[in-house]
Amino acid sequence: GQQVMQIPQYQHVQEGEDFTTYCNSSTTLSNIQWYKQRPGGHPVFLIQLVKSGEVKKQKRLTFQFGEAKKNSSLHITATQTTDVGTYFCAGTGGTSYGKLTFGQGTILTVHP
Amino acid sequence: DGGITQSPKYLFRKEGQNVTLSCEQNLNHDAMYWYRQDPGQGLRLIYYSQIVNDFQKGDIAEGYSVSREKKESFPLTVTSAQKNPTAFYLCGSGQGWGQPQHFGDGTRLSIL
Repeated sequence: GQQVMQIPQYQHVQEGEDFTTYCNSSTTLSNIQWYKQRPGGHPVFLIQLVKSGEVKKQKRLTFQFGEAKKNSSLHITATQTTDVGTYFCAGTGGTSYGKLTFGQGTILTVHP
Repeated sequence: DGGITQSPKYLFRKEGQNVTLSCEQNLNHDAMYWYRQDPGQGLRLIYYSQIVNDFQKGDIAEGYSVSREKKESFPLTVTSAQKNPTAFYLCGSGQGWGQPQHFGDGTRLSIL
């Protein structure tokens, strides 16, 4: 079945440093979605990417979808303590049509 | 405000007992989902429903059952057949299959 791998599993940064998490799929994806889960909270939808090579920005967050639609990344510029949480990618496509397959998530810790 | 309500927030199960987790949404979403989240892992799909009176098994359905008698409601029963039920359970909904999902605040289930 479809597998979505996410790295790194943990990332500790000093406030103001940049952060990137990477997502790789074993199969070509129809779309990829990114979610953020604050400690003790529930996942919150951030963005969806659909087109090959697509890049979207939300303030300090930049999301990219690879040309082959098998990988994606989330980059945060100049992290803040409010960025703390777990970032998940989730993809649909291939034989798992429509079903979201989640990556394991990257836990981001920001030290003030 | 529109959203998803999960109850209870914390639940304890005795040996051999079935317990039911409630999920209600007022977003008028067709698709509803149940996920299980274990520490350090992503969300794993238990069951999903694309429309009222229809539901399908996800990746880890053994030991669980659901019903979808109303559009707004998608309760999950954790049966005694689920030998390792301790986890954080998340209910999600989306406008359609594969679309971005909203999540409830989750139910944390533990064994007594």
